Amino acid sequence: EVQLVESGGGLVQPGGSLRVSCAASGFTLSTYWMSWVRQAPGKGLEWVANINGDGSSIHYVDSVKGRFTISRDNAKNSLYLQMNSLRAEDTAVYYCARYGYYAAMDAWGQGTTAIVSS
Amino acid sequence: QSALTQPASVSGSPGQSITISCTGTSSDVGAYNYVSWYQQHPGKAPKLMIYEVSNRPSGVSNRFSGSKSGNTASLTISGLQAEDEADYYCNSYTTSSTYVFGTGTKVTAL
Repeated sequence: EVQLVESGGGLVQPGGSLRVSCAASGFTLSTYWMSWVRQAPGKGLEWVANINGDGSSIHYVDSVKGRFTISRDNAKNSLYLQMNSLRAEDTAVYYCARYGYYAAMDAWGQGTTAIVSS
Repeated sequence: QSALTQPASVSGSPGQSITISCTGTSSDVGAYNYVSWYQQHPGKAPKLMIYEVSNRPSGVSNRFSGSKSGNTASLTISGLQAEDEADYYCNSYTTSSTYVFGTGTKVTAL
């Protein structure tokens, strides 16, 4: 069974850092593009970043460029999102997702919540 | 990277068909056949319903169908059921090699 389990969310002050992780199981992580998608409280989905199987191709939404870094460790079956210089508007549930089809995310984790507040 | 435009809400009686539109630009929806649709129930993770404009993943009811014309994609739910009540989001690949979601549509079965 394909499973994605996020962790690492929490409360952080503006300007601080947080790293969220996603543990993958039930499939070979290295053969899939992966992404992070976030959802602010009461708001819609926002695509944040994605990364190809070996980590050589990475893309970000403009609002997080230079502040967030997506990475992966295929040997540990894990995906990461390092978030620096956090702002209140980064408060959201962060989901990791797998691109099981070309350009479509067929498996999602349950999400982890990051709250940026003083 | 502006969000794709969807109606805030769509409603219909059980058994009826409803259609949700998703309007983008020639840099996203109109550029590729890489539009997908997601269903999200409250407090739950999104679920893939349609990929590559009109393809259904295994296990998704054939009451869900997708199409595209120009810069606008559409999701149709036929034979609306109470369990279809949820938020729906479109998503498109863009010419910047990024992705963009729609604003989301709340579907209500009256």
